[in-house]
Amino acid sequence: EPEVTQTPSHQVTQMGQEVILRCVPISNHLYFYWYRQILGQKVEFLVSFYNNEISEKSEIFDDQFSVERPDGSNFTLKIRSTKLEDSAMYFCASSLRLAGHNEQFFGPGTRLTVL
Amino acid sequence: AQKITQTQPGMFVQEKEAVTLDCTYDTSDPSYGLFWYKQPSSGEMIFLIYQGSYDQQNATEGRYSLNFQKARKSANLVISASQLGDSAMYFCAMRGGTGGYNKLIFGAGTRLAVHP
Repeated sequence: EPEVTQTPSHQVTQMGQEVILRCVPISNHLYFYWYRQILGQKVEFLVSFYNNEISEKSEIFDDQFSVERPDGSNFTLKIRSTKLEDSAMYFCASSLRLAGHNEQFFGPGTRLTVL
Repeated sequence: AQKITQTQPGMFVQEKEAVTLDCTYDTSDPSYGLFWYKQPSSGEMIFLIYQGSYDQQNATEGRYSLNFQKARKSANLVISASQLGDSAMYFCAMRGGTGGYNKLIFGAGTRLAVHP
């Protein structure tokens, strides 16, 4: 069964460093998403991406964040200068369609720890 | 603004019994979708069930069913014949509505513990 994959599973970084979180969405999906979950809290939407551009972003997704689909398979989230409060689980998701019964399939997540 | 409310931070159930996890939502848009996801202790998010706002019947997927009461804006998840492996965090989420059509908005979650 096709699945969304994410690497690395755990990333530890120093405050102020840049990190790139990588995702490989399901191959025939068209819509891609990043969410984050701070430990013990709800899952929060960051950004959605379609047709090589951002279709929607939240207030959390400020200038420190960027997304890219550098090739036909990878979807990346870059945090330019990490802050302590960026420590969270980051989930990538993809969906085939936008509307209707279009569940978003989530990857296993990358746990980011900023020291 | 869109909002999902899960009022039960934790629930306990005996193995083989049924359990209902509550979810209420708020949106002014007539077109929306409701989802339930399971998050085991390993952390991944597993899709369980979907209900569209125009669906006439309540959704069912195996042991999972969704008690959709549109007028009350509730979308409760019913798990029948609970198993030990059902112990996890359960999130209700909504897609669509005035808050944006792509994104999922999640509730705070309910932690379910299944006891033998």
